Amino acid sequence: SSELTQDPGVSVALGQTVRITCQGDSLRGYYASWYQQRPGQAPVLVFYGKNNRPSGIPDRFSGSSSGNTASLTITGAQAEDEGDYYCNSRDSSGNLVVFGGGTKLTVL
Amino acid sequence: EVQLVETGGGLIQPGGSLRLSCAASGFIVSSYYMTWVRQAPGKGLEWVSLLYIGGNTYYADSVKGRFTISRDNSKNTLYLQMNNLRAEDTAVYYCARVYNWNDGGAFDYWGQGTPVTVSS
Repeated sequence: SSELTQDPGVSVALGQTVRITCQGDSLRGYYASWYQQRPGQAPVLVFYGKNNRPSGIPDRFSGSSSGNTASLTITGAQAEDEGDYYCNSRDSSGNLVVFGGGTKLTVL
Repeated sequence: EVQLVETGGGLIQPGGSLRLSCAASGFIVSSYYMTWVRQAPGKGLEWVSLLYIGGNTYYADSVKGRFTISRDNSKNTLYLQMNNLRAEDTAVYYCARVYNWNDGGAFDYWGQGTPVTVSS
């Protein structure tokens, strides 16, 4: 299997833009998916694939990918965007799944 | 409306067995890849197991040989049989539907989770 690496924590001022990154060798062949998890709740898919945002997810969430790095960008962060963000993807073998360690987003 | 409801969690002694169920509604389980993910207290998400549409199964190294994923098409339900449980298996277990597998796999619907505590 392979690993996905995320920064443990990121902060952003209310209304500003923040980028959360995810690095791993498997991302050279597969797109990352991104999940938001608020305390005590199940994760929610917020972005996936080349350019896909699930129904109901605000358009301030966007994603991109380059080389071995995937990014989730929140443009105009809101207080309700606070939480933990995880990336995942298929691993380098293609048969398994790997998650990043998660990034705790704080909105100041 | 797509819904996933996990049941079967609880307190179990080390070495014991438990079977988790994930009842699906709003879609056909056998038409999707399905997966289990767990989260230990205060920790991040950990992928556990994957069931392909065709029936192939895959597991994280941490549970291989002890856990078995399966489905019952007649009940539209996914299962996770967990044997020889260890303290480090203590976690909330989520089932999820997998979408967009060819591009990398997105877990588009999740259950609410069922807690498993392995302790004597």
